[in-house]
Amino acid sequence: KQEVTQIPAALSVPEGENLVLNCSFTDSAIYNLQWFRQDPGKGLTSLLLIQSSQREQTSGRLNASLDKSSGRSTLYIAASQPGDSATYLCAVIQTGTASKLTFGTGTRLQVTL
Amino acid sequence: DGGITQSPKYLFRKEGQNVTLSCEQNLNHDAMYWYRQDPGQGLRLIYYSQIVNDFQKGDIAEGYSVSREKKESFPLTVTSAQKNPTAFYLCASSGGGRETQYFGPGTRLLVL
Repeated sequence: KQEVTQIPAALSVPEGENLVLNCSFTDSAIYNLQWFRQDPGKGLTSLLLIQSSQREQTSGRLNASLDKSSGRSTLYIAASQPGDSATYLCAVIQTGTASKLTFGTGTRLQVTL
Repeated sequence: DGGITQSPKYLFRKEGQNVTLSCEQNLNHDAMYWYRQDPGQGLRLIYYSQIVNDFQKGDIAEGYSVSREKKESFPLTVTSAQKNPTAFYLCASSGGGRETQYFGPGTRLLVL
């Protein structure tokens, strides 16, 4: 059974710092991996989707990488801002499971002034 | 505006009562999903539907039921058989296959 883990569970950084969020998964037979953002009490917003054949995806200050063989993905946030404060979730679609996402428990990020 | 709407934002259930959560999308997406989110546990899949008039159980379907009579709508009923229904419920849709899923704003269900 696929398990997705995100470490750390919470992170606090001063504004302007570059930071890395980690996601690991136990079964490397994935179709794609997605990173989402969730603000308190709200739904999820898709940030980046990496297909299994890709190594990374970039959107603005965000860069996500994928290493299938080691079962890891990282989300790099450059020049963090207070508006980046949210919970970040990663999720995988495993090969042969249609479109079912398996989620990690998330990293709660706080960017302080 | 295209998107996914969920209603109500908050829902209160009395013991033994069935309640229905609404999910509507105007993105012309074939696939729709229901997830449950509990503190510290991430999201878990309840039911999903890849096409009208067809749906499959997810990982935690017991105590829930769904219907998919229209492409735009995927209501979730929380039955009295669900003994621990208090959670945040999220609906999502995608264009099918393994594309990005787009999420609604969620419904918080509380038990009186």
